[in-house]
Formats: sequence, structure tokens, C-alpha cells
Amino acid sequence: QQQVKQSPQSLIVQKGGISIINCAYENTAFDYFPWYQQFPGKGPALLIAIRPDVSEKKEGRFTISFNKSAKQFSLHIMDSQPGDSATYFCAASMAGGTSYGKLTFGQGTILTVHP
Amino acid sequence: DADVTQTPRNRITKTGKRIMLECSQTKGHDRMYWYRQDPGLGLRLIYYSFDVKDINKGEISDGYSVSRQAQAKFSLSLESAIPNQTALYFCATSDRTGDRQPQHFGDGTRLSIL
Repeated sequence: QQQVKQSPQSLIVQKGGISIINCAYENTAFDYFPWYQQFPGKGPALLIAIRPDVSEKKEGRFTISFNKSAKQFSLHIMDSQPGDSATYFCAASMAGGTSYGKLTFGQGTILTVHP
Repeated sequence: DADVTQTPRNRITKTGKRIMLECSQTKGHDRMYWYRQDPGLGLRLIYYSFDVKDINKGEISDGYSVSRQAQAKFSLSLESAIPNQTALYFCATSDRTGDRQPQHFGDGTRLSIL
């Protein structure tokens, strides 16, 4: 049972364009939503994260938009660059109990940015 | 040197063999995790350990076992490997301070079971 659903599975964008990756979750107990970036041959690394008390968080060219009522969040990459080509994972976690510190990941999106 | 080191990086073996994947970390983190990555399925949690004496099953623990030999070492075993365990395996660590610490991943072990 996939509690975090991510789309699209793959995405091709031209250099300078905007890349958008979407995630939806079902469990309303989730209260922390990070995005991880993975380059070929490497492990994932934290890119940016948001809590549900804000609707948007921006770090450089990367922005998370969060819609609590729709149980959706998305990653926007502005001015996409070839160096952004990677696999992106959304994730979610909840505080407390046996789930403390555990992440549930989406299926991943392979982003290719053409020069 | 990498903070989270996985060995081996690649392994090809046969059905029925016992396999051990090892993870060591120099970050001083208490929490360690094992995931497998499959195309289209993302990362799925196999086992996790919040300290040396605490081992917990993740969402796909069947067919796997783990050992936390020390704070810095967490190994994953496949007692009798089967082809559908062919995947990319990742170890990760996180700090125990607070509940929103990032997980730090190793570079993975690519395991192929013939």
C-alpha cells in the first residue's frame, strides 16, 4: 500500500524551464514533507522540506508548495539546469509513537533537463 | 571519506545463497535504516534501528534480517536469496535529536540474484 503517490514517473524539461513534480498523501497524521534528490550512483540526499503550517517554502530555485486540504504537495524547480537532472523523491513522516523518525517515500521521478 | 559506507557496492550471487550487506557510519548517529529501491516503487523500508538494542521491522522485512553490532554498524542479511530480492539497497542514518533530522544515505549496494 503506497501511502505517498508521486507523479510523473519521468519528466523531460528544456534548460531554463520549470520542472514540477507532484505528490499526494492519504494519512492525515503526516506532518513533515521532505524532498530528496538522487544522482546516478549515489544515495538520496535531502533537498528541501516543509511542515504543514506553511503553504510554501523556497530555497534558491527550489520551491515546495503545500495544500493541506487537498493532501498534496509539489516541488517546483525554476530555471531548470542540466545539473538538476536526477531522480527526485517526495516523502512524508509523522511525529510520535512507533513511526517516530520514519520516512514513507513516493515512487520517484526521473528528471532530465536538456541543454 | 564517506560518512556512510556500504560494502560491497556490487554483488552478483545465486538463488539460495546467504548474503550479508554491511553498513558503517562515522556520523555518530544513533538511528540507522535499511531500504531497497526498485524502479517505479521508490524506496521501501526494510528494517530500522533507533539504538543498538532497538531493532524494528519496516514495511517489507520478510526474507531479511539485520544485526546492529555497534552504534556505527548495521548489517542486512538475506538468509536464502531469491531473484525478486534483486534491487538497489541503501543504508541511511539520522540523528536522534528531534524528529525532523534528515536521513543521510550511503551510495548503495547493487545486488543481483540469478
